[in-house]
Amino acid sequence: DAGVIQSPRHEVTEMGQEVTLRCKPISGHNSLFWYRQTMMRGLELLIYFNNNVPIDDSGMPEDRFSAKMPNASFSTLKIQPSEPRDSAVYFCASSLQGGHAGELFFGEGSRLTVL
Amino acid sequence: AQTVTQSQPEMSVQEAETVTLSCTYDTSENNYYLFWYKQPPSRQMILVIRQEAYKQQNATENRFSVNFQKAAKSFSLKISDSQLGDTAMYFCAFMNQGAQKLVFGQGTRLTINP
Repeated sequence: DAGVIQSPRHEVTEMGQEVTLRCKPISGHNSLFWYRQTMMRGLELLIYFNNNVPIDDSGMPEDRFSAKMPNASFSTLKIQPSEPRDSAVYFCASSLQGGHAGELFFGEGSRLTVL
Repeated sequence: AQTVTQSQPEMSVQEAETVTLSCTYDTSENNYYLFWYKQPPSRQMILVIRQEAYKQQNATENRFSVNFQKAAKSFSLKISDSQLGDTAMYFCAFMNQGAQKLVFGQGTRLTINP
C-alpha cells in the first residue's frame, strides 16, 4: 500500500516567493496533520483536519501560512510570502480517526530552504 | 500545557548492547497516551511503541519495551539486542485521551556502532 506522499521532497526558494507543499494521505484515512520540524523548536503541529475540515490551526505561525484540504485525498500547505525563518522540514501525516490513538503515518517530509 | 522532555540529546552504543532512552512529561491529566517514534535518516517518522496511561503493564514490541512510571511521569524506552538499523532519532510523544494532538520531545539521536 502507498504511504503518505509529499511533494516536493526538497524546495529552495528566495525570500518573498510563494511556496506550496502538497500531501496525499493514505487512502481511507480521515485525519490529516501538518507538522514542522526545526532544530530550535523540534516538531510542532501546525494544523490538522478531520474529514477535510480544519479542526485546530492554533499552531499556524501567522497569516502567511494557510492550509487547505479540498478533498479526502489531497492537502496543501502554502506560505506566502516566504521568509528565511520558514526554512524547515514540513511533514504531513494521516491517521484513521477512531483507530489506534496517536498512530500517525508520516510522509518523508518536504525540506524547505528560503534564501 | 503538556510538555515532553528528553534529556539525552545523543547516545551511542555497540551493536547487540541494550540501550535505554529517557523521557519525562508534565501533565495534570489522568488519562493519556505515550509514544515512541523513530525517525531514521530517511526522515520518515515511524511509530515504535505506544502505552495507555490506564494500563499498569508496560508495553513491549519485540526488542522494544518501555518502563512507564506514572507517578514519576517517566516513560523510558529500552532497546534490547540493538541493531545497526536502530540508528535514528527517537522522539517521545504525549497525547491526551480524546485528543488528536501529539506533543513531541526534542528527540534523542541514537547511533548503533558495529
